[in-house]
Amino acid sequence: EAGVAQSPRYKIIEKRQSVAFWCNPISGHATLYWYQQILGQGPKLLIQFQNNGVVDDSQLPKDRFSAERLKGVDSTLKIQPAKLEDSAVYLCASSPSSAGRGEQYFGPGTRLTVT
Amino acid sequence: ILNVEQSPQSLHVQEGDSTNFTCSFPSSNFYALHWYRWETAKSPEALFVMTLNGDEKKKGRISATLNTKEGYSYLYIKGSQPEDSATYLCASTDSWGKLQFGAGTQVVVTP
Repeated sequence: EAGVAQSPRYKIIEKRQSVAFWCNPISGHATLYWYQQILGQGPKLLIQFQNNGVVDDSQLPKDRFSAERLKGVDSTLKIQPAKLEDSAVYLCASSPSSAGRGEQYFGPGTRLTVT
Repeated sequence: ILNVEQSPQSLHVQEGDSTNFTCSFPSSNFYALHWYRWETAKSPEALFVMTLNGDEKKKGRISATLNTKEGYSYLYIKGSQPEDSATYLCASTDSWGKLQFGAGTQVVVTP
């Protein structure tokens, strides 16, 4: 079974630039998550999708972050414009559970550096 | 406790020694406790999911216990090996399905 795929793995941009991350979840997984992990902190949930609908985006900074899940499969997370404090690892995870309580399977993450 | 807390933040272990570390979590509305191992440049890997008070899980040399009444879990590594070097994350799921992570315990095993 193929795991969760993410790209790019690393990205360096200047502040005020835009960036997009891509995630391909495990086939058949209904729930998809984006997390932000800042150095020294635990992963923080940015947005949760159930199929192609948003379940929870309460911690997504909507003035600069946006996300979509195309046809309930792949997802993209965009930051526009980026700030220095957005430097972090962005993790995508998927779960077969529709209730959001099941085990989550993570991708390798995208390490973003904003200079 | 309102947040998931892990201690210590980091620890160094000599190869062959055993070690353990703690995860504290909110006991109200508790549904499940997850442990993940996250090696550098790799995906976080699920180790255990525990839901019942008193649960004990084991995977090779790694084991975990759960106390839902007092809100803590221990992870044990027996006979540490260099390949055990990683950050160990715990996460608590509440009854609404919301997952909250701790900051992790970074384990470095030296030969």
